[in-house]
Order: sequence, then structure tokens, then C-alpha cells
Amino acid sequence: GAVVSQHPSWVICKSGTSVKIECRSLDFQATTMFWYRQFPKQSLMLMATSNEGSKATYEQGVEKDKFLINHASLTLSTLTVTSAHPEDSSFYICSARDVLRGLNTEAFFGQGTRLTVV
Amino acid sequence: ILNVEQSPQSLHVQEGDSTNFTCSFPSSNFYALHWYRWETAKSPEALFVMTLNGDEKKKGRISATLNTKEGYSYLYIKGSQPEDSATYLCAFYSGAGSYQLTFGKGTKLSVIP
Repeated sequence: GAVVSQHPSWVICKSGTSVKIECRSLDFQATTMFWYRQFPKQSLMLMATSNEGSKATYEQGVEKDKFLINHASLTLSTLTVTSAHPEDSSFYICSARDVLRGLNTEAFFGQGTRLTVV
Repeated sequence: ILNVEQSPQSLHVQEGDSTNFTCSFPSSNFYALHWYRWETAKSPEALFVMTLNGDEKKKGRISATLNTKEGYSYLYIKGSQPEDSATYLCAFYSGAGSYQLTFGKGTKLSVIP
């Protein structure tokens, strides 16, 4: 099956610094990737939809200037948490669907990134 | 805002027991219902993608049913094994927008040896 690789798997950073998370689709071209955030005991919440070659689409309540998304190629999307604060500490996970195979295809997920801001 | 609910939130079963849990989703604008298994320290992996009302899918000891008219799906595990311990997520796809899925909170299954 298709593989999506996400790095890093965990990161600890100081408040005020920025952190970049990478998400790569290894064996299919992902024109669209999704970034989710999960707080304890909550659902995976969609933050934004990353579109190759164009601007990301952010969900309501997600600050686009704080969570910068770049999808410069068909296999790589990055999420940068800028000026991170402790309340940004969470689990971030990306996914992609190979919709060229049809709309009923499953989603493939990265391994997730546990971000801790101290 | 789409509402996808899963119950129970967690459950513990003895090895060998059969179990099932529920996912409820909007009955309108339905395109597909996904089930994923998420083991600790791993990526979520797809179990089933279901599209047709009345559909039943099976993979080994795991099966799922779908009722799109009333908006629910059941996931069944027959003869649970410790390796079935995981969080099971369902996700609703309306067919609109840019292919995003709306997830429930998951059911965390622990199988006691």
C-alpha cells in the first residue's frame, strides 16, 4: 500500500521559536494533503487542506499566519508552526488520498508529530 | 459542522470474546464511510471504505456493516486477540469539497490476554 512519511515524530521547542513538520507521499502523487491536530481524548481535527502549487485552505479558527503550509511538489507538504506557544503543544498528523484512483480510496497517514512547546 | 459519533469511547474485552462498536454519521450527503485501525506508535491504517447502503465488508475476523439511511455503521471483531488492541476510527466523506474526511473520536479497544 501507499506510504506517507512524516518527520519528525516528536519535537520539543522553546516558546517563540518555529517548528517545521514534513509530510511526504512516497509512492503516489498527492495533489492534496491534509493536516490534522489531535488534542487528548478528542477527534482528529482538520486544520487545513494543502494543495500542490496553490494556497492551502484553512479551516475556521485556524490561523493561517501561524500555521504556514507549503506544498511545493506533488510529494511534499510542510507545516510550519511559527512563534510556537505552549498551547500549540499537540499531536499533528498528515494524510493524503490518491484520488486519481477514485473518490473511494482510503487515506494514508504519516506517523504523526508530537509537538511540545516549553 | 458534520457530526460523527463513535461509541463506546473505550472498552476492555477478554481474549476470545467477540465485540462490536458503533459509528453514527449524517444520513444526508453521504458518499463513503471509512474505518481505520490505529495502533499505538503507528500510523492509522484503513480497514474498510464503504459506500453502499446495506453493504457488509470483511477482513479476517473483522467485519463492518453500513446503514446510510439511518446513518450508522457497526464494526465487529470476532474472537478478539491481544493484537486487535487499538483505537478504531471511523470517518465520513460527503463527496463534496476537496476530499477531506471527518473523523469520530474513536473507540479504544483493549483485549486482555
